[in-house]
Amino acid sequence: GENVEQHPSTLSVQEGDSAVIKCTYSDSASNYFPWYKQELGKGPQLIIDIRSNVGEKKDQRIAVTLNKTAKHFSLHITETQPEDSAVYFCAARLYSSASKIIFGSGTRLSIRP
Amino acid sequence: DVKVTQSSRYLVKRTGEKVFLECVQDMDHENMFWYRQDPGLGLRLIYFSYDVKMKEKGDIPEGYSVSREKKERFSLILESASTNQTSMYLCASSFSGNGETQYFGPGTRLLVL
Repeated sequence: GENVEQHPSTLSVQEGDSAVIKCTYSDSASNYFPWYKQELGKGPQLIIDIRSNVGEKKDQRIAVTLNKTAKHFSLHITETQPEDSAVYFCAARLYSSASKIIFGSGTRLSIRP
Repeated sequence: DVKVTQSSRYLVKRTGEKVFLECVQDMDHENMFWYRQDPGLGLRLIYFSYDVKMKEKGDIPEGYSVSREKKERFSLILESASTNQTSMYLCASSFSGNGETQYFGPGTRLLVL
């Protein structure tokens, strides 16, 4: 079946440094790629998304890039802060289902003071 | 402010019991989803519903059923709970028209003894 692979599973960075999380997807017809952040004790929350007709999108310290040819996309967080510590999930919407998305396995990001 | 609520944050049940997990959303969303979250496996879709009384199987429906009698409420039922159903269960909802952003509840951590 269709799947989304996410790496790394854990990531520890010094406060102020950048963090990068990478994902690959298998359904070449996927056209929408959201990123969710899950803080301790809460459900995941959408932080940024990108569609297949653009290569990059930025929102303050967060950016997402998409390479359709290689079928991979990445989340970049710059100037990391303690509140960035969380579990991050990438996801891809299946072309065959307008509402269904497939999630990656998650990355636990820790920011060291 | 969007809100998805789940009936319990923590639940302890015994093997063989019938378990009901309730989810309510106040956003008039057409789509509702049930996921289970396990370490290293990300979020896996159990069932989703795109309208009242409508349901579709997700990737791991075995051992589960669902009920959607009202638009705002989506129930997950474990007919006969087993220890391998010990997990975190997350409910989400989204609009059908531009149904990309999924809004999640806080989750129910279920322990089956």
